[in-house]
Amino acid sequence: EVLLVETGGGLVQPGESLRLSCAASGLSFSTYWMIWVRQVPGKGLEWVADIKGDGSDKFYVDSVRGRFTISRDNARNSVFLQMNSLRAEDTAVYYCARLTRDIGVVPAAFWFDPWGQGTLVTVSS
Amino acid sequence: EIVMTQSPATLSVSPGERATLSCRASQSVNSNLAWYQQKPGQPPRVLIYGASTRATGVPVRFSGSGSGTEFTLTISSLQSEDFAVYYCQQYNNWWTFGQGTKVEIK
Repeated sequence: EVLLVETGGGLVQPGESLRLSCAASGLSFSTYWMIWVRQVPGKGLEWVADIKGDGSDKFYVDSVRGRFTISRDNARNSVFLQMNSLRAEDTAVYYCARLTRDIGVVPAAFWFDPWGQGTLVTVSS
Repeated sequence: EIVMTQSPATLSVSPGERATLSCRASQSVNSNLAWYQQKPGQPPRVLIYGASTRATGVPVRFSGSGSGTEFTLTISSLQSEDFAVYYCQQYNNWWTFGQGTKVEIK
């Protein structure tokens, strides 16, 4: 069974930094893109960032580019999200997820599965 | 950015009835669409990908259809465990989600 466990959330003040971690087990970790998605409590889902299996490619939603950095340590089966210059609007539950794909169909299909349970980040003074 | 719009925001349905949820994309996403179910306090769970392919373990009462800009998730006979929030997600151009449809007990 694939398991993802996020840690590192908490309460910080605007302008401060926080580093989230996601520990993975039950998968060949280095072969998968990994994703961070966030959800404002009671609201919808927003993709934040993703990173290729070998760490060579990284992509971000516009609202966090330049402030957040995604990284991974394949020896530790972990993916990280370094969040700097945090704003009130970054308050959300942050989930990590695996990018799963089926390349046996045309076009190839992609989905996020599984997801961790999430970690809450609150940015408030 | 491709904007995904779901309707209705809330759907009130009696157990055993059919539920039809809609998702519209601001531009064509071909069949590059997934549906997720989220229950309170839980992360989302994938139901459908490729617009119409059920994910492993998903009951046959869930079905997806559509292509281009118009998509539908149908739950043929609602069970108690199906009352939840449902999100569509396009993966044609990066990843964007709809705002969700809450399926509640009537």
